[in-house]
Parts: sequence; structure tokens; C-alpha cells
Amino acid sequence: GQQLNQSPQSMFIQEGEDVSMNCTSSSIFNTWLWYKQDPGEGPVLLIALYKAGELTSNGRLTAQFGITRKDSFLNISASIPSDVGIYFCAGQTYSGTYKYIFGTGTRLKVLA
Amino acid sequence: NAGVTQTPKFRVLKTGQSMTLLCAQDMNHEYMYWYRQDPGMGLRLIHYSVGEGTTAKGEVPDGYNVSRLKKQNFLLGLESAAPSQTSVYFCASSYSPETPNYEQYFGPGTRLTVT
Repeated sequence: GQQLNQSPQSMFIQEGEDVSMNCTSSSIFNTWLWYKQDPGEGPVLLIALYKAGELTSNGRLTAQFGITRKDSFLNISASIPSDVGIYFCAGQTYSGTYKYIFGTGTRLKVLA
Repeated sequence: NAGVTQTPKFRVLKTGQSMTLLCAQDMNHEYMYWYRQDPGMGLRLIHYSVGEGTTAKGEVPDGYNVSRLKKQNFLLGLESAAPSQTSVYFCASSYSPETPNYEQYFGPGTRLTVT
């Protein structure tokens, strides 16, 4: 099946640092979504991107839909301990019907 | 407004047993999905539904069946559980992608262990 390459797989950062993660694909996507998953919980939507080049913010989070429509990045500024969790990207494709493809996740650990 | 709910939260089955996972959403979403999440593999789509009475196969449908008799409910069945089906199962729902704000919203998950 289609794959999304998400990197890095995991990262340790100090509180207050900025964080950047990205997803790339060989396929074009119509929509990019970024989710955060806390342990034992379902993914929670952070940001949705609908147009190539779109840059959207949600508090300390900023995400961009790549111009080629094959990539997206998520930045977290001034990280805090509650940012810890797994961040997933998802791209929406259409091949007869709409489907979402998920990345394998970036595990973020914030050191106080 | 509860969003997406799943029952049960945890379950342990023996090989060969059957069970049904229930997903319910109160957002009037047309689309509903079942995913499984395994370590290092992200979320993989099992089955999905684009409306009441319709279902379709996803990426990993083998060993599972689904039904969507009511718009708000989506059931995932395992007829004869196997250890390879040990996983965390997530249900999600969304509006049709042809409408604005069609992001997927997830339930809290069901942790299934098959021994």
C-alpha cells in the first residue's frame, strides 16, 4: 500500500526548544492532517491543510502543505512537557474513493 | 456531544473466539472507518463506510467483517480471532470529503489481545 515517510521517528528535546518534523510521499495528496496521540488515547486532530503552499497555525503549532503536494511539515515552538506524545501525519488521496494514509509517527519527549 | 465512542475499551480473547467492537458517533458524519494500530506501523485501514448500509475494504481487511446498519454506528467483527489480530483498534468518522471540514475524528481505541 501507499506509504508516508515521517521523520524523525523519535526525538528528545529540552523544554523551550522548537521542534520540527515532516512527512514525505511519492504520491500527491489533496489534504494533509496532523494528529497528536497521547498514551492510551486516540489521535486528536491538530491542524488540517487543504491547499498546496498553505501555512496554518494553531497556537504554538504551525504546519505547511508543500508546494509539490507530496510533503508537509509541523513545527512546535517553545515546547513544554505536555507536548510529549506521538505525532502523526496523514495524507488524503483519491482513487475511486477518498482514503487517508498515515505516517508511522514521531515520538516526542520533552525534558524539563 | 460525545464525539466518537468505542466499546469495549479492553478485551482478551482466545484463538478462535469471536467478538464485535462497537463504534458510535454523534456528529452526523457520513463516513466511518476502522483502523488498527501496531507498534512502528502507524494506522492501517481495515474497512470503511461511506454511508448507512455501505461498507468497503481498506488496506488490511482479511479476518474482519463490518456492518453499518445505522448512520451513527459502525461495527467491526472478528469471526475467529487469531494472535496476529492483537492490536489497538481505532474507529474514526468524518463528513464526506466533498464537503468542508471533512477531517477524521478518532475514538479512544479498543485494546485487543488474542492469546
